[in-house]
This record gives sequence, C-alpha cells and structure tokens, in this order.
Amino acid sequence: DAKTTQPPSMDCAEGRAANLPCNHSTISGNEYVYWYRQIHSQGPQYIIHGLKNNETNEMASLIITEDRKSSTLILPHATLRDTAVYYCILRGGGADGLTFGKGTHLIIQP
Amino acid sequence: NAGVMQNPRHLVRRRGQEARLRCSPVKGHSHVYWYRQLPEEGLKFMVYLQKENIIDESGMPKERFSAEFPKEGPSILRIQQVVRGDSAAYFCASSQTGGVQPQHFGDGTRLSIL
Repeated sequence: DAKTTQPPSMDCAEGRAANLPCNHSTISGNEYVYWYRQIHSQGPQYIIHGLKNNETNEMASLIITEDRKSSTLILPHATLRDTAVYYCILRGGGADGLTFGKGTHLIIQP
Repeated sequence: NAGVMQNPRHLVRRRGQEARLRCSPVKGHSHVYWYRQLPEEGLKFMVYLQKENIIDESGMPKERFSAEFPKEGPSILRIQQVVRGDSAAYFCASSQTGGVQPQHFGDGTRLSIL
C-alpha cells in the first residue's frame, strides 16, 4: 500500500501556479519524496525528488516541511499540457520498485 | 538521447498464446523495472533486474510470467498461456544505477487478449 495521501483531484487555471499537496506522516529517515506524473496513455514521467531540502528544476519546485511529514509540488505556470495524474511516492535508498498510489488528477482549465 | 524504448506499442494475443514484450533501456542504464497497469487501476511493480540478474520479483505472478535482461539486447517480459486478465498496459523503466537515481519510463505496451 502507498504510504502517501493525496487529494483525488484538483483544478487549476491556466497560467496560475498549481500546488499539489502530499501527506506522508510515516516517512522514514532514509526515504526520499519523488513526484511523477502520467499523462493519459503515456508512461509515467519523472518530475523531481528530494530528501529534506527544497528542490527546484526546470519543471517544478518541491517544498518539504521541516518535519518531513508533508510536501507540496509546485508547477509555477500551469499549461493545458500539465493536465495529468500526479503521483507522490516515497522511496528508500535502495534500488527498489516504486509504489504508486491513486495520485491526484490535476485538470488545468483554460 | 533516446529514452526507454518499448515494443511493440500494441500487442494482440488469443487466449493460450505467448506474449513477449521488449524494453530497451536508456543507453548506459543497467537497471530495469517492469510495471503493470490494469484498466482503471494504478501501476503495480512487477520485477527489477540488473544485467543478467533478477534482483526483486516480488510483484510478478509466480506462474506464466518471466523476465530477463541479458548481457546483450533488450529486457524481455514473457507471458505464457495468456488469459483475459493479462490485458493491461505494461511499462518498463530504467535507471543508471540503483539508489536514489530516478527511474525513467517508456510509453508502454498495451496487451489485449481476445
């Protein structure tokens, strides 16, 4: 079972920032927070990951609370192409398979 | 810089036949993972391989399913004597090393069983 909790769906206006929350209250000290998204009929796409510091790349920013029990993925200027299911996943330092939950279906409205 | 390549994209088989799904990882990646996504369900991990070795097959059905990642060539997921319940999208992912390196996914093979 996934160790994360995400809202099942969210709407966001095109051009606005999309903030996707994730709760992971039972996270272990060696577990990283990963975000992937899956656009309809495509394979999952890696977005970003982090351990405890906030991270930013060309796609998104990841904000992890100080106690690491929750995080937020931020898409700074959402476009229609960002409509997808977004998955928040915990993963330890080992090379293990990912455990996908139900994710958040983000719908960008024009 | 080619990503993970899976073929075929669509595969149709009759009950009882064999299905072979191929995955070429990103160049330089030696770790391969297979996942299955049943209709209207989430992705489920099946098996993790590192060149010529199966590291974790805890998510793979014990019967009819097998996976390999030979020294040369793509990784193969093989399903023998397919049944209707095998209809799903099968995704392959690869990573350069283990540990925290992110997995990069292909666009999957859609398997349909008649």
